[in-house]
Amino acid sequence: NAGVTQTPKFRVLKTGQSMTLLCAQDMNHEYMYWYRQDPGMGLRLIHYSVGEGTTAKGEVPDGYNVSRLKKQNFLLGLESAAPSQTSVYFCASSYKLTGQGIVSRRQPQHFGDGTRLSIL
Amino acid sequence: QKEVEQDPGPLSVPEGAIVSLNCTYSNSAFQYFMWYRQYSRKGPELLMYTYSSGNKEDGRFTAQVDKSSKYISLFIRDSQPSDSATYLCAMSDRLSGNTPLVFGKGTRLSVIA
Repeated sequence: NAGVTQTPKFRVLKTGQSMTLLCAQDMNHEYMYWYRQDPGMGLRLIHYSVGEGTTAKGEVPDGYNVSRLKKQNFLLGLESAAPSQTSVYFCASSYKLTGQGIVSRRQPQHFGDGTRLSIL
Repeated sequence: QKEVEQDPGPLSVPEGAIVSLNCTYSNSAFQYFMWYRQYSRKGPELLMYTYSSGNKEDGRFTAQVDKSSKYISLFIRDSQPSDSATYLCAMSDRLSGNTPLVFGKGTRLSVIA
């Protein structure tokens, strides 16, 4: 059981280049998330998805695009990389809340091991 | 004011000490409280998960939630060098099903042998 797998693990880009980060989960989770983690800033949510074909903006969405064409995959795209996007990117997934109107437990998020991205 | 405040540390303790890690929050609607542990160059992993107020114990770890004070704690008994990591608190509001977790910035802990 691999859990959440992120590809690639490391990447160096030049300013203006584009790239796509891939996240794959094998737990049949409905929700998926992309975060960036910077020193002194903690985890900040970029975009998230509550199901196949749906995406939503998080706290810091500018400069990024996402797609969720398959339930198990969540892609994060940088169309024109900037040095400010140098960071460690984490993908996470979780189950959906069950039962409308019913108090139900929010399932915690499971994280991948990150992609370290440097933009020169 | 950030929704979740967490002292970044670093916190350095001798092996065997009791460690107390804390977070405060401002949103009284938060119902779900989590602690994640993150080793260097790894993703966060879930350590403890509590719903509403009260205590929860799991081995050497105890999580406490005081909703009246908007304050959560993680206690580590008999700390070990393997506990050296960054600890992140996280919380969410059960009424907003699509609202992702809100994280603290993390506290870096070093347990010295």
